[in-house]
Amino acid sequence: SQKIEQNSEALNIQEGKTATLTCNYTNYSPAYLQWYRQDPGRGPVFLLLIRENEKEKRKERLKVTFDTTLKQSLFHITASQPADSATYLCALGVSGGYNKLIFGAGTRLAVHP
Amino acid sequence: NAGVTQTPKFRVLKTGQSMTLLCAQDMNHEYMYWYRQDPGMGLRLIHYSVGEGTTAKGEVPDGYNVSRLKKQNFLLGLESAAPSQTSVYFCASSLTYVGLAGSFSGEQFFGPGTRLTVL
Repeated sequence: SQKIEQNSEALNIQEGKTATLTCNYTNYSPAYLQWYRQDPGRGPVFLLLIRENEKEKRKERLKVTFDTTLKQSLFHITASQPADSATYLCALGVSGGYNKLIFGAGTRLAVHP
Repeated sequence: NAGVTQTPKFRVLKTGQSMTLLCAQDMNHEYMYWYRQDPGMGLRLIHYSVGEGTTAKGEVPDGYNVSRLKKQNFLLGLESAAPSQTSVYFCASSLTYVGLAGSFSGEQFFGPGTRLTVL
């Protein structure tokens, strides 16, 4: 069956460290993958897109990798800050799918001062 | 720009009652989506629309209907609410197709959500 897995347990890290979140999928062939941030009581907010033909994307303190052989994406936040505390969702997009997304359940990140 | 707005923010229904959730976007986006989010599960697509007058089923469409009479509005209806429909509902909109190249990110813009409880 098709599955997207993100760590269900919260990730607790110290301020200034690098946070690494994992997104694994099975039985999908995504054309692209997106990462979203969701704060409690609010809708998700888009962070980054990476396409199937790209290995790595960066945006300020954020870095995403995409390994279609391992069927995995890693999401890194460098020099993390307490303001980065949120739930992070990965989402797979299929080619020609009207931008329909399949979301993972998300990983909660807590950055402690 | 207000972005994507949803009405109402909260609602409590009794089993069997009906209601309509309204989503509005002011970004002139072609594509609009309705999701539900339940604890421990990812956002699941209920229905979506790729343009005014069009709708299509998503992953979990049963018990819901939608309409897109105007480009900026996407309505989600529950004809006979059931406790299993207790959830947080999110509307989203996006520009058109994300190709292998190009500048479109396929970003979906989400509304603030509607928390629905069915007793």
